[in-house]
Amino acid sequence: DADVTQTPRNRITKTGKRIMLECSQTKGHDRMYWYRQDPGLGLRLIYYSFDVKDINKGEISDGYSVSRQAQAKFSLSLESAIPNQTALYFCATSDFSREETQYFGPGTRLLVL
Amino acid sequence: TQLLEQSPQFLSIQEGENLTVYCNSSSVFSSLQWYRQEPGEGPVLLVTVVTGGEVKKLKRLTFQFGDARKDSSLHITAAQPGDTGLYLCAGGSNYKLTFGKGTLLTVNP
Repeated sequence: DADVTQTPRNRITKTGKRIMLECSQTKGHDRMYWYRQDPGLGLRLIYYSFDVKDINKGEISDGYSVSRQAQAKFSLSLESAIPNQTALYFCATSDFSREETQYFGPGTRLLVL
Repeated sequence: TQLLEQSPQFLSIQEGENLTVYCNSSSVFSSLQWYRQEPGEGPVLLVTVVTGGEVKKLKRLTFQFGDARKDSSLHITAAQPGDTGLYLCAGGSNYKLTFGKGTLLTVNP
């Protein structure tokens, strides 16, 4: 089984709808991250969490919110989806090692009409 | 704001050729990762380097971290079609990563 899973893998929604993307991990890592990827822009950090009680905004948090329900679960919500939120979304995890390596899920492809 | 400039953005070569991808910044990073990403999938870690001047080899791939920990390179020897993909560098600082925009490599048979 994959260490980092994301659901759904694909989602089509309409402008104004609220949607939630979910991430679960079995790696036992404390740190979890949400990124979006757009062609030509690379991966950009939306939110990150260093433990269950610690939530931080990344560089592009406007229009998004998160919930860390447990060490293994980190959800991303779009309160009122808009077309420019169409993107590929990735969840990642890391531990406390010096190497700062992150391990990514398979991604959710989101289309907002 | 930390930025990582990755070059070239696109690279199309023939099987058997060598290539180098560069990752440069004006900022110092505590670590530098290289990832490879297939279409529609998440980035997969290739290597992490943490010491200035460090060189790591992974079969035909050689990774180097600059002495000042501001830049890195990825060299592929005798490229194969299976090396095709998007290569991403990422600089680590305070357990957050800053990503370059990637190099899309195509190796033609």
